[in-house]
Amino acid sequence: DAGVIQSPRHEVTEMGQEVTLRCKPISGHDYLFWYRQTMMRGLELLIYFNNNVPIDDSGMPEDRFSAKMPNASFSTLKIQPSEPRDSAVYFCASSIGGAGAFFGQGTRLTVV
Amino acid sequence: KQEVTQIPAALSVPEGENLVLNCSFTDSAIYNLQWFRQDPGKGLTSLLLIQSSQREQTSGRLNASLDKSSGRSTLYIAASQPGDSATYLCAVKGNAGNMLTFGGGTRLMVKP
Repeated sequence: DAGVIQSPRHEVTEMGQEVTLRCKPISGHDYLFWYRQTMMRGLELLIYFNNNVPIDDSGMPEDRFSAKMPNASFSTLKIQPSEPRDSAVYFCASSIGGAGAFFGQGTRLTVV
Repeated sequence: KQEVTQIPAALSVPEGENLVLNCSFTDSAIYNLQWFRQDPGKGLTSLLLIQSSQREQTSGRLNASLDKSSGRSTLYIAASQPGDSATYLCAVKGNAGNMLTFGGGTRLMVKP
C-alpha cells in the first residue's frame, strides 16, 4: 500500500478563497483523522470519521471548516472562506480499529 | 481532558550518546501510546506503539517504556547518530474515542 495520500502537498491561496484538501486513507482502514499542526498549538485533532461517519468534530475551529467522507477511500477538508490564521500544515491519518495511526505527508497551506 | 507533555522541548547531544526522551500524560485511562518521528517539512513516521497492557516495546536502537499508573512514557535511543536528528512526538489514545492527543514534541539534534 502507498500509505495515506494527501493532495495537494502545498497550497497558497488568497484570503477569502475556498480551499479543499484531499485525503486517501490506507485501504481497509476504518478510521480517518484530520489534524492541524502549527508552531503555536502543535498537533490538534480537527475531526475524525469511523466507517465514513463523522464521530467527533469538536476540534473544528469554526463553521468555515467542513469535512466529508463520501466513501471509504476519500475524504475532503474544506475551508470557506479562508483566512491568514488558517495557515498551517494539515495532516490526514488513518487506522484500523484501535491500532496505531498512519499519517500522510501533510498539506502546507498558506493563506495570504 | 487529556494533556500530554514532553520534556525537554529541545535536546542537543554528541553522536554516540544514549538518551532518553520523556512524555507524561494526565489521564491514565489510555488505550495505547505511540511515539512518532517528524523530520522538518515532512509527515509523521510511527516508531513504536505500546498497548496499555504492555510495559515496553523495542525496535532496533529504540526502546519505549510505559508506566500507565504514573502517567509516563520514555523513549530511549541507544548510540545516537546524526540521522536521528528530528522532532519526536508522543501521542496517547484514550479509552473513550479513537483520537490521539499529542505532546508538543522534543526537537533532537545529534552532533557529529
